[in-house]
Amino acid sequence: DGGITQSPKYLFRKEGQNVTLSCEQNLNHDAMYWYRQDPGQGLRLIYYSQIVNDFQKGDIAEGYSVSREKKESFPLTVTSAQKNPTAFYLCASSKTSLGGYEQYFGPGTRLTVT
Amino acid sequence: GENVEQHPSTLSVQEGDSAVIKCTYSDSASNYFPWYKQELGKRPQLIIDIRSNVGEKKDQRIAVTLNKTAKHFSLHITETQPEDSAVYFCAASKASDSWGKLQFGAGTQVVVTP
Repeated sequence: DGGITQSPKYLFRKEGQNVTLSCEQNLNHDAMYWYRQDPGQGLRLIYYSQIVNDFQKGDIAEGYSVSREKKESFPLTVTSAQKNPTAFYLCASSKTSLGGYEQYFGPGTRLTVT
Repeated sequence: GENVEQHPSTLSVQEGDSAVIKCTYSDSASNYFPWYKQELGKRPQLIIDIRSNVGEKKDQRIAVTLNKTAKHFSLHITETQPEDSAVYFCAASKASDSWGKLQFGAGTQVVVTP
């Protein structure tokens, strides 16, 4: 189902706890991305990575952290510093080449923090 | 940075009628413009894209037009069907962003009524 997976589908956490969302792809894509989706606000970029061991902050990186130790994996940690972490989180991957390419999205993780 | 505005935020059409969604972008260096469709509870999926060296592209009932001078592009859906009901996102990226970073619009909720 698309070659990019996210787990779990639903995640519940108490306020003050860090939580890590998983993202794995077998598409041999170099680039990977994390987006946050809130109603009426579209897709906002949290972090992105062009290559292993390198990643960059997106538009809303505060309160989040990532790692890219393997080409296939790009986990996202939502820390207790994130003020409003309840949201739908989408991971994506793409080839890297001049001019832009299709991004393939995972099924998403819905995080609820209470 | 790039800013993409999308209108309308909601669009209700009668089955069989046409639907048009418009996006404007701010960075004249942008040259790749994809459109994604997200059905309820599903992941976004690419439905059509256009590059800046082309003014129009069609794929069956959907088409995208690009006006580089005015910096806007539009999605046209003809003969709408109930399965066209979804949220549609436009996006833009630049050739200099070799890893394919996209800036998304806020989305348009399309409802096709039988």
